[in-house]
Amino acid sequence: NAGVTQTPKFRVLKTGQSMTLLCAQDMNHEYMYWYRQDPGMGLRLIHYSVGEGTTAKGEVPDGYNVSRLKKQNFLLGLESAAPSQTSVYFCASRDRGPDTQYFGPGTRLTVL
Amino acid sequence: EDQVTQSPEALRLQEGESSSLNCSYTVSGLRGLFWYRQDPGKGPEFLFTLYSAGEEKEKERLKATLTKKESFLHITAPKPEDSATYLCAVQDAYSGAGSYQLTFGKGTKLSVIP
Repeated sequence: NAGVTQTPKFRVLKTGQSMTLLCAQDMNHEYMYWYRQDPGMGLRLIHYSVGEGTTAKGEVPDGYNVSRLKKQNFLLGLESAAPSQTSVYFCASRDRGPDTQYFGPGTRLTVL
Repeated sequence: EDQVTQSPEALRLQEGESSSLNCSYTVSGLRGLFWYRQDPGKGPEFLFTLYSAGEEKEKERLKATLTKKESFLHITAPKPEDSATYLCAVQDAYSGAGSYQLTFGKGTKLSVIP
């Protein structure tokens, strides 16, 4: 099993550009999450999904959109990137029963 | 609002010098407390889940304990390969819409010097 994978690993955008980050998991997990991690701050939840076709806002959702069309994939979109969105983005998934979230390797995004 | 505070922010130990990391938390109802390890440039790696006060879990040189207000991660005779950032997170039993979302602390960066 690959677990949780994220693409791309690195990306540089200019202000106003758009992009989509892809998270994929092969563990058949129901729940998926997108976090951002900034220096001096804890991981903060952006959006999450409790199952295929569902999405909900987390702590810091502004400027992001998500979709969960397939159970194994969770996409995070930035429609018009801003320098404040420079961060490391992590995806996580968990199964319906156990509470443990398993994290992907992260995507480092820089917005110039 | 759930809050997690980790101390110290950074800790330097000599190899073999045991110590503890602290995680204090405020939550409406604790469903679980989680410890993760994060290496530079990597995603968090799960270590332990604790569910009730008095519970303890061990893995190699690490032991996690839980009280009603805080958790400790005890590191016994650490080695350089234990160097990492250790993250603590809580799961609120009353988090909305059954999301089981985690609230993370800022982490403790541990450096073990040979």
